[in-house]
Amino acid sequence: GDSVTQMEGPVTLSEEAFLTINCTYTATGYPSLFWYVQYPGEGLQLLLKATKADDKGSNKGFEATYRKETTSFHLEKGSVQVSDSAVYFCALSDYTGNQFYFGTGTSLTVIP
Amino acid sequence: DTEVTQTPKHLVMGMTNKKSLKCEQHMGHRAMYWYKQKAKKPPELMFVYSYEKLSINESVPSRFSPECPNSSLLNLHLHALQPEDSALYLCASRSEYGYTFGSGTRLTVV
Repeated sequence: GDSVTQMEGPVTLSEEAFLTINCTYTATGYPSLFWYVQYPGEGLQLLLKATKADDKGSNKGFEATYRKETTSFHLEKGSVQVSDSAVYFCALSDYTGNQFYFGTGTSLTVIP
Repeated sequence: DTEVTQTPKHLVMGMTNKKSLKCEQHMGHRAMYWYKQKAKKPPELMFVYSYEKLSINESVPSRFSPECPNSSLLNLHLHALQPEDSALYLCASRSEYGYTFGSGTRLTVV
């Protein structure tokens, strides 16, 4: 079945460091891919998404490119801030849109 | 309106209490979901409603009872919960563009 595999955390970075959180997927057909962010004590917020191969999603300085050849959707940010400290979830919606799968989440802490 | 609104934001209840969680969306989405999330874990699917009909029940105990009175509203009725049911309960709705999540109800069972 469809699934998402996400880089294990926790990740600790210094402010202004480069961030990469790896995400790979297994799916039938052409899924849509998402990154969600969850700040402490809050619900899930959609960070970015991509619906077809080679699409690049971007928001708030974060980017991820839908790579069908490597079945990946890695999250990147060039310069993290303390306010980016949160848990990041990679997710997949199958080609029907009826099923939704989350990765295990990666906790990011950015220190000043 | 592009939001999913959940109330209350926080709820503390005893093991003999009956309470309800509420979820509303006015985006015209016809699929709505309840998820349960424990700390630092991904959300786990509980129920799916499609066109106001229950389409998926992920073997959730009967002390959780969902209800979809209309296309904008989703309730989760709670009765005789256990302390291990303490978690963040998330509601979501879906369109062809993706899923929108509410900010959740943080439930503590004492």
